[in-house]
Amino acid sequence: ILNVEQSPQSLHVQEGDSTNFTCSFPSSNFYALHWYRWETAKSPEALFVMTLNGDEKKKGRISATLNTKEGYSYLYIKGSQPEDSATYLCALGTGANNLFFGTGTRLTVIP
Amino acid sequence: DAGVIQSPRHEVTEMGQEVTLRCKPISGHDYLFWYRQTMMRGLELLIYFNNNVPIDDSGMPEDRFSAKMPNASFSTLKIQPSEPRDSAVYFCASSPGQGYGYTFGSGTRLTVV
Repeated sequence: ILNVEQSPQSLHVQEGDSTNFTCSFPSSNFYALHWYRWETAKSPEALFVMTLNGDEKKKGRISATLNTKEGYSYLYIKGSQPEDSATYLCALGTGANNLFFGTGTRLTVIP
Repeated sequence: DAGVIQSPRHEVTEMGQEVTLRCKPISGHDYLFWYRQTMMRGLELLIYFNNNVPIDDSGMPEDRFSAKMPNASFSTLKIQPSEPRDSAVYFCASSPGQGYGYTFGSGTRLTVV
């Protein structure tokens, strides 16, 4: 079992604010870093899969960066909207293609 | 594609009964994963398969849990006998391979009373 930590545990922001949160992981075990978006009463949906140090991925207003040497990834949301409210999970992939999930950052965007 | 299909969506059973959860992965995905979600531990990997072969079952809590994948389009997770502490949401996910995101099913909410 690998320790994947996410912070903060929960976050409330006003609509229109930009926000970011952190995922940290043991860099020695790195193969890939995944981000998922998990809305209440639904199942997790993949946002990004990142494999290279310095990787930066973007999907609309959401982007992510990766530092494999120091073992962290940031997820950014620009101009938060109420529909962005969800739990954002990161997961560390090892060479065996199984994922170790963090416990998530629960984002609430207040209209 | 209909995505990953899990059944049933909800299961309520009495302690001691056998419970079988079912999963149909996305066609062409070589990997299938069973996860359990609890408040305390978040998403825990129970077992995963590659090309229908179990690769790592170290997350299976104890001998009461077993999983099979008889073919590429079907997997089961069985709990016998079930206990109240098994109450959780069980997710199945599939993936084409390394470097690809997982596609999760909608989960089975199990309640053991």
